[in-house]
Amino acid sequence: ETGVTQSPTHLIKTRGQQVTLRCSSQSGHNTVSWYQQALGQGPQFIFQYYREEENGRGNFPPRFSGLQFPNYSSELNVNALELDDSALYLCASSLEPGDGYTFGSGTRLTVV
Amino acid sequence: GESVGLHLPTLSVQEGDNSIINCAYSNSASDYFIWYKQESGKGPQFIIDIRSNMDKRQGQRVTVLLNKTVKHLSLQIAATQPGDSAVYFCAEVTSGTYKYIFGTGTRLKVLA
Repeated sequence: ETGVTQSPTHLIKTRGQQVTLRCSSQSGHNTVSWYQQALGQGPQFIFQYYREEENGRGNFPPRFSGLQFPNYSSELNVNALELDDSALYLCASSLEPGDGYTFGSGTRLTVV
Repeated sequence: GESVGLHLPTLSVQEGDNSIINCAYSNSASDYFIWYKQESGKGPQFIIDIRSNMDKRQGQRVTVLLNKTVKHLSLQIAATQPGDSAVYFCAEVTSGTYKYIFGTGTRLKVLA
């Protein structure tokens, strides 16, 4: 049984650019959630996808968007990057919404 | 790897002693609580969870206590080992929502 895998592990982007982060769910999990973790803080909920539909959203602007594919893998897209978007982005999958998460190791995004 | 939580509260314990990590949660309607361990450069790893209809739950070397009256959660680690050194987060979940609300975290340092 594979866990949650994220790519890339590290990324450096320039302010104003766009970025796409990718996540492969744990086998059998149909729900994916994305979190942003700034240095020194706990993870903050961005949104959740269940069977390819957005299923809940946190307090993030519309320039944060996502997709879930038929194989339940997922993407997080961020447009018009700002310096404050620098963080660890975590993907977590679960069997169903509300079930316990399995987290990936994250993508460390640095915006310069 | 990247450091998680450079300015977090820190608990230092002697190897072999018991550790107690505390967490205050915010929403009296939260009914599911989880403790996660996060090592540097990794995503959060599930330790133990508890539902609001319980006040204590035990796992292997870990115990979670829930006091709903004062909205307090604690994690007890017995016979703390060097491998327990990490940042520990509590998370609260309210039924019908899909987001985990994480606390700010506590860094546990195990002294040899």
